[in-house]
Amino acid sequence: ETGVTQSPTHLIKTRGQQVTLRCSSQSGHNTVSWYQQALGQGPQFIFQYYREEENGRGNFPPRFSGLQFPNYSSELNVNALELDDSALYLCASSWNGGSEPSDEQYFGPGTRLTVT
Amino acid sequence: LAKTTQPISMDSYEGQEVNITCSHNNIATNDYITWYQQFPSQGPRFIIQGYKTKVTNEVASLFIPADRKSSTLSLPRVSLSDTAVYYCLVGDVDDKIIFGKGTRLHILP
Repeated sequence: ETGVTQSPTHLIKTRGQQVTLRCSSQSGHNTVSWYQQALGQGPQFIFQYYREEENGRGNFPPRFSGLQFPNYSSELNVNALELDDSALYLCASSWNGGSEPSDEQYFGPGTRLTVT
Repeated sequence: LAKTTQPISMDSYEGQEVNITCSHNNIATNDYITWYQQFPSQGPRFIIQGYKTKVTNEVASLFIPADRKSSTLSLPRVSLSDTAVYYCLVGDVDDKIIFGKGTRLHILP
């Protein structure tokens, strides 16, 4: 198991509501990325936070927003939930600070969000 | 980001060696090749990463030919627990990780 934890494990929300998902990164990691994974698909990159600043964003609307805290934990907020937002939301942490590739990301177990 | 192409699915038997090939014709000079494994309802897990030639760790080997336009993940003596989806990713140090659809590997007894 990685040292990345996510909460809650499962969540059911109604269309139009707002949701906040949380992620605690692995000790020593300063970068957090969020992914959305629909059933049968690969994870889709939402955004990345590095030292509390957004450091890249995928093709997701502004109602998907995030935060990274000084301890490098992170939140993903989704406003005005839509049925298509139902998915597994994955958080991954990594160390970004040198010339070596930072592609080795450590993923959490994910939060399963169901929008009805 | 270089696009990757992998087989959608593969079947193999316990004890066999499994090779999954990924094509990345547009790989850039600074790109690395990384493979992840994902079990159902779990986050992906890093398997191996390489730039050229061959890389081996306790889990797998990664073979990269000189032109780097493809790579092969080799899993020695697979077991039922190796049934998972395997993703090939290509990108630079500063690139954000982009997953494709992966290869669904099914190990049969």
